[in-house]
Amino acid sequence: AQTVTQSQPEMSVQEAETVTLSCTYDTSESDYYLFWYKQPPSRQMILVIRQEAYKQQNATENRFSVNFQKAAKSFSLKISDSQLGDAAMYFCAYRSGGSSGSRLTFGEGTQLTVNP
Amino acid sequence: GAVVSQHPSRVICKSGTSVKIECRSLDFQATTMFWYRQFPKQSLMLMATSNEGSKATYEQGVEKDKFLINHASLTLSTLTVTSAHPEDSSFYICSARVGREQRDTQYFGPGTRLTVL
Repeated sequence: AQTVTQSQPEMSVQEAETVTLSCTYDTSESDYYLFWYKQPPSRQMILVIRQEAYKQQNATENRFSVNFQKAAKSFSLKISDSQLGDAAMYFCAYRSGGSSGSRLTFGEGTQLTVNP
Repeated sequence: GAVVSQHPSRVICKSGTSVKIECRSLDFQATTMFWYRQFPKQSLMLMATSNEGSKATYEQGVEKDKFLINHASLTLSTLTVTSAHPEDSSFYICSARVGREQRDTQYFGPGTRLTVL
């Protein structure tokens, strides 16, 4: 079974600074997808960024980018120019690309605080 | 992006009663919907996977007779918590997969907070 580990229960960053959230995963599969979801105080899960394992290029969405290291099974999220609205719980998630590929496996989450 | 709604957003009920939570995909057809449970300050735990027109697939340890899931149409799935007890109090979240490909993205509803007195 796949597992996802987020080793940082809490992180903080100053407004306008950059922060990196860590995520590692364990799998024997070669075809899979990785995601970062954000859950603000409203509890609504919001997709931040997505990475296909077969793509070598790191995904980028505006101020959000990932560092995908497939051999190391690492998938960190970098938030640049942090804003107050970035404060939330961030979840890393894995999904198989195979026939059982619907389900998401989530990490434990990292609570991000943005200080003004 | 795709929009998923849940109703109600909050519900308080007495122990022993049943509660139904609706999950709707508003602007797309969802062949697969998922139900999660989240305890405070914890991650999401998948309860079951629901495919339109067929029986739901429950995760290990989830009581299928207690958590009834119906996916009657491509835009609606319901979760019924039967004979609810205080330990069923939690935050329940649904998600829906856009499209029929395994690689398609899931979008989440806003969640339902259930409190059982």
